[in-house]
Amino acid sequence: QKEVEQDPGPLSVPEGAIVSLNCTYSNSAFQYFMWYRQYSRKGPELLMYTYSSGNKEDGRFTAQVDKSSKYISLFIRDSQPSDSATYLCAMNRAGGTSYGKLTFGQGTILTVHP
Amino acid sequence: DGGITQSPKYLFRKEGQNVTLSCEQNLNHDAMYWYRQDPGQGLRLIYYSQIVNDFQKGDIAEGYSVSREKKESFPLTVTSAQKNPTAFYLCASGRRTGRTEAFFGQGTRLTVV
Repeated sequence: QKEVEQDPGPLSVPEGAIVSLNCTYSNSAFQYFMWYRQYSRKGPELLMYTYSSGNKEDGRFTAQVDKSSKYISLFIRDSQPSDSATYLCAMNRAGGTSYGKLTFGQGTILTVHP
Repeated sequence: DGGITQSPKYLFRKEGQNVTLSCEQNLNHDAMYWYRQDPGQGLRLIYYSQIVNDFQKGDIAEGYSVSREKKESFPLTVTSAQKNPTAFYLCASGRRTGRTEAFFGQGTRLTVV
């Protein structure tokens, strides 16, 4: 069983829809949770960074973490065609050698059509 | 502009050859990482280095080698021992204190011909 599971999709939605992307994880040592966006043939770019249970909002994006259920989500409101990309969840432990050593989900391919 | 530069963007390798992928960062980060990305598998860690002159194996290090002689540079060599090297390779850097995220370069697409 993989430490992080993410539905690979693909997910196709109309412009303006609310998108929900989800990951589950099995390792309770994970304390830091991230969402990256990756356009085709590009490197991932950080969208959201959280380290506690609850919600964090940044513009149209909301990251939600539920450590008791080992479940994280990313919500995109008023989705735009420019949001079409692969979304990767990532997480890691606290502690010196764990910095930057991320465990990734498989990525979800999202297409927002006009 | 601060960032991570990977070169080349595309690389072709013949069977049995070693090739080296370049990664340079000017973010003053201590730590650097190499990830491999295959379709449907997310990113997997190949090697990482927390400080100069030190590096550790990640989850899929077999067939790869690295060096860390300078803080800014972390080249990856894909050796002939790597049986399935065709993939997208991503270099990243990060801090050793504070926030734990990684910052990525734009990647190198390696194809065996």
